[in-house]
Amino acid sequence: NAGVMQNPRHLVRRRGQEARLRCSPMKGHSHVYWYRQLPEEGLKFMVYLQKENIIDESGMPKERFSAEFPKEGPSILRIQQVVRGDSAAYFCASSPGAGDNYNEQFFGPGTRLTVL
Amino acid sequence: QKEVEQDPGPLSVPEGAIVSLNCTYSNSAFQYFMWYRQYSRKGPELLMYTYSSGNKEDGRFTAQVDKSSKYISLFIRDSQPSDSATYLCAMTRYGGATNKLIFGTGTLLAVQP
Repeated sequence: NAGVMQNPRHLVRRRGQEARLRCSPMKGHSHVYWYRQLPEEGLKFMVYLQKENIIDESGMPKERFSAEFPKEGPSILRIQQVVRGDSAAYFCASSPGAGDNYNEQFFGPGTRLTVL
Repeated sequence: QKEVEQDPGPLSVPEGAIVSLNCTYSNSAFQYFMWYRQYSRKGPELLMYTYSSGNKEDGRFTAQVDKSSKYISLFIRDSQPSDSATYLCAMTRYGGATNKLIFGTGTLLAVQP
């Protein structure tokens, strides 16, 4: 039973480039969440998606960041025109979305983004 | 004031000790409480998941929730060097349109052999 998968595990971009982070939820999970962990800070919520729908994007920066969870394929977190301040670990989590433990969130290994 | 407060530590204990980790929170709407363990440069690993007040035990781990005091705890019995990690508390509301987790900043635990 594979867990949450994220790729790439490490991503290096130069300022102004685009970063695409991918997340495949656990089998049977239909809800995906993205969190960001800055150095010396805790995990901060960014966005919550279900298939083809953004449910809550209250934690997303207003510009340059977008997320999607298409009907087929992984969830994508996209950062356009990256800046040094975007350097962080980005974690994806998934939850069943139904049942007693509907919001029990399991995390992937993360993508560590470094912006040069 | 942060919604969730957690002492960052570091907390150093000898092997075999009982460890107590705590978080306080301010939002009375929180109903689900979780503890995660995060090793350096790894993803958070879910240890305990509890709903509302009470205790839950799983092996060497016991989670306690006191909603009247807005205080949650994680106890680790017979601590091992392999328990050395950062422990994160997290919580979320019941119902509503979002299940986003609000995290504490984490407590760094070192278990000395």
